[in-house]
Amino acid sequence: AQSVAQPEDQVNVAEGNPLTVKCTYSVSGNPYLFWYVQYPNRGLQFLLKYITGDNLVKGSYGFEAEFNKSQTSFHLKKPSALVSDSALYFCAVRDMEDTGRRALTFGSGTRLQVQP
Amino acid sequence: DGGITQSPKYLFRKEGQNVTLSCEQNLNHDAMYWYRQDPGQGLRLIYYSQIVNDFQKGDIAEGYSVSREKKESFPLTVTSAQKNPTAFYLCASSMLAGGPGELFFGEGSRLTVL
Repeated sequence: AQSVAQPEDQVNVAEGNPLTVKCTYSVSGNPYLFWYVQYPNRGLQFLLKYITGDNLVKGSYGFEAEFNKSQTSFHLKKPSALVSDSALYFCAVRDMEDTGRRALTFGSGTRLQVQP
Repeated sequence: DGGITQSPKYLFRKEGQNVTLSCEQNLNHDAMYWYRQDPGQGLRLIYYSQIVNDFQKGDIAEGYSVSREKKESFPLTVTSAQKNPTAFYLCASSMLAGGPGELFFGEGSRLTVL
């Protein structure tokens, strides 16, 4: 079975400060990991993914994420937050060994609030 | 432009009525998925399909039905057997051949039962 935990319901940060949104995962094999962003009443937009290789993954809108296998974590980061980054962020995982269902399992989401 | 189209965006239903949500994609993706989103619970998988005329139950399939008669289309019916159907429904698709299979999402359909 695969699962994702996002331990913070909400993260508050001041504009211009760095931000981190936390994610930990559990899979039987090796993971594919993803971050998505959702604005109110919209679908999810893909931000970035980890497949293999470099532990630091760069994605859209200046976001990046760091894969840490020993801590089974994939935290989302941005060096300088913008007010427009305020949204709901989802971490997702798929086990590389899953060649059947191939569906992503999502965390419960973290609301990011960037104050001006 | 390529993408996934869900309709209607908002839908109201009386208790006891079935309702069908449409999902169409022109990305030529093999796999399609339906997720349900409730506040604080993330997304939960309802049904998925990897090939035409075949589909599989996800984690919360009870009270829902789907069909996959065309590669482009994967409609979801919320039946009267679904005990708590008020939610935001998201359709997604992905390529199957190799790769991690990131999902591409539609804009969602919000169903409210009156």
